[in-house]
Amino acid sequence: GENVEQHPSTLSVQEGDSAVIKCTYSDSASNYFPWYKQELGKRPQLIIDIRSNVGEKKDQRIAVTLNKTAKHFSLHITETQPEDSAVYFCAASMGGGYQKVTFGTGTKLQVIP
Amino acid sequence: DAGVTQSPTHLIKTRGQHVTLRCSPISGHKSVSWYQQVLGQGPQFIFQYYEKEERGRGNFPDRFSARQFPNYSSELNVNALLLGDSALYLCASSFSGSGRGYTFGSGTRLTVV
Repeated sequence: GENVEQHPSTLSVQEGDSAVIKCTYSDSASNYFPWYKQELGKRPQLIIDIRSNVGEKKDQRIAVTLNKTAKHFSLHITETQPEDSAVYFCAASMGGGYQKVTFGTGTKLQVIP
Repeated sequence: DAGVTQSPTHLIKTRGQHVTLRCSPISGHKSVSWYQQVLGQGPQFIFQYYEKEERGRGNFPDRFSARQFPNYSSELNVNALLLGDSALYLCASSFSGSGRGYTFGSGTRLTVV
């Protein structure tokens, strides 16, 4: 089955700096890669996703890149703000049909004011 | 429009007992997936239901079972509870059975003592 590895497990940045979280996946059939943000005690919320026919996607301060050949994808957050502090999960899915989503182990991001 | 609702929000059970967790998907969503999130880890896939049929099952023992009702709500049942079953149980709904467009509920925090 699919295996998703994520690193770093913790990340501290100064407010205004950029943060990068990296993930690798094992199943070349995966074609959908969502990112979730989970604040303490709350539900995971989808913040951005990318499909395998796209190499990069951007939404304001958040961007995701995908390298299908290397089977890795990354989340980039620019101009970080204290409210960006949370746990971020990458995930992979085959996208179509009845396919489960496999999550990474999470990155705890702390933005220091 | 209501989001994904889960009940109860918190639950304390004793080892060996049985528990039933409930989930109501977003109106119009036909698929419900269940995930277990142990503290400090990413969500792990347990079951997926679409149109009242099981479409996927994760690597969990037979003590875990689920079902989906005609109104698309779902129950997750866990028998013979173990201490290791203590976790946040998340329900995710989507319109189709694919991994795209997941919306998570706030979860049920199960503590087994």
